[in-house]
Amino acid sequence: GAVVSQHPSRVICKSGTSVKIECRSLDFQATTMFWYRQFPKQSLMLMATSNEGSKATYEQGVEKDKFLINHASLTLSTLTVTSAHPEDSSFYICSASQGRRETQYFGPGTRLLVL
Amino acid sequence: AQKVTQAQTEISVVEKEDVTLDCVYETRDTTYYLFWYKQPPSGELVFLIRRNSFDEQNEISGRYSWNFQKSTSSFNFTITASQVVDSAVYFCALSGTGSGGSYIPTFGRGTSLIVHP
Repeated sequence: GAVVSQHPSRVICKSGTSVKIECRSLDFQATTMFWYRQFPKQSLMLMATSNEGSKATYEQGVEKDKFLINHASLTLSTLTVTSAHPEDSSFYICSASQGRRETQYFGPGTRLLVL
Repeated sequence: AQKVTQAQTEISVVEKEDVTLDCVYETRDTTYYLFWYKQPPSGELVFLIRRNSFDEQNEISGRYSWNFQKSTSSFNFTITASQVVDSAVYFCALSGTGSGGSYIPTFGRGTSLIVHP
């Protein structure tokens, strides 16, 4: 149980384009989903928290107009990197939990490379 | 504010050795959760354990064991008879329980474990 998927697993795009990453909880309803960014050999940096049906809460320093998050259902959250630049290249990981106090289960991550 | 310190950046052992990964935390919350996650080279974080601050009993799961010492604010992780497949980055994390404290986990910087055959 507690399986979270992400799609795509890898994406290469040109600078200026937008990229959408999907995060799905496959066998449970995720009232809360989290989006993290991880640079090589570093820890996870929380970008935002999203609750189903409401606006995401962004961490300080994260541009909400650049990283659009939608949590439209209890099993799906999407992160759209708008007008991507090379510095946005990173490993993006989502996690999902059945409630704010519940354990987070992580997806396999998406490696984004912006050329 | 919450803080998790994993002082060991990288540990290298030979297969079958026992290895302990250290985790020291700071929090003002009276109740909190502690976690360990494993991140193999593929990148996915694998949940290993969640421990409530009320429960100081040590836990063993196969070759894995965890030592929670509230007095020293530590939650160390030991792998017995390590195997090559244990090679990964291990993250310790801390969160409040949501009752007045943040439920958002704070992650340590991770310890890279390399197990040589």
